[in-house]
Amino acid sequence: QQKVQQSPESLIVPEGGMASLNCTSSDRNVDYFWWYRQHSGKSPKMLMSIFSNGEKEEGRFTVHLNKASLHTSLHIRDSQPSDSALYLCAASMAGNTGKLIFGLGTTLQVQP
Amino acid sequence: EAAVTQSPRSKVAVTGGKVTLSCHQTNNHDYMYWYRQDTGHGLRLIHYSYVADSTEKGDIPDGYKASRPSQENFSLILELASLSQTAVYFCASTQNTEVFFGKGTRLTVV
Repeated sequence: QQKVQQSPESLIVPEGGMASLNCTSSDRNVDYFWWYRQHSGKSPKMLMSIFSNGEKEEGRFTVHLNKASLHTSLHIRDSQPSDSALYLCAASMAGNTGKLIFGLGTTLQVQP
Repeated sequence: EAAVTQSPRSKVAVTGGKVTLSCHQTNNHDYMYWYRQDTGHGLRLIHYSYVADSTEKGDIPDGYKASRPSQENFSLILELASLSQTAVYFCASTQNTEVFFGKGTRLTVV
């Protein structure tokens, strides 16, 4: 049983559309959440991190976190074909932030 | 940007053989990690280290050993490679928050 569950498994959005990805941890010991993007054949690159309740926006990307439910979501507005990738959610505890628990990911395809 | 270099980038190994994957970072980071990525399992932590000459077990350490001879270098050793160890292996380093991954090593055990 994955400790970090992501949904949907895959998502297709039109260019310019909004993509919404979800992630929930069943491990109540986690403190931090991370979103990574991994293009095919490449290594994961950190997209955004969120450590406290609420919302954080960086350009076209917005993340939300509800610590009570250990649920985070990533929203990509004005999606571009270059956003097509595997999006990985990860959680960690405060004492060792590199000790990440990853979900299986959401594959996003942005259609021109 | 932080640099984590892995070698080799790909390798074909024979079942039962010994495999060593190497990782070098120039970030001056204390923490280093080895992850493997498989379809259906995602990325999982094998071993990590927070100081030279010391390593810790991650979530799936069986069949793997790790070595951290210096702050910059972290190796993953498969003493007896098995078919189930075919995967992409990523090394990573971090100091505080952001984790920087290397480009990965694609290991195929035949």
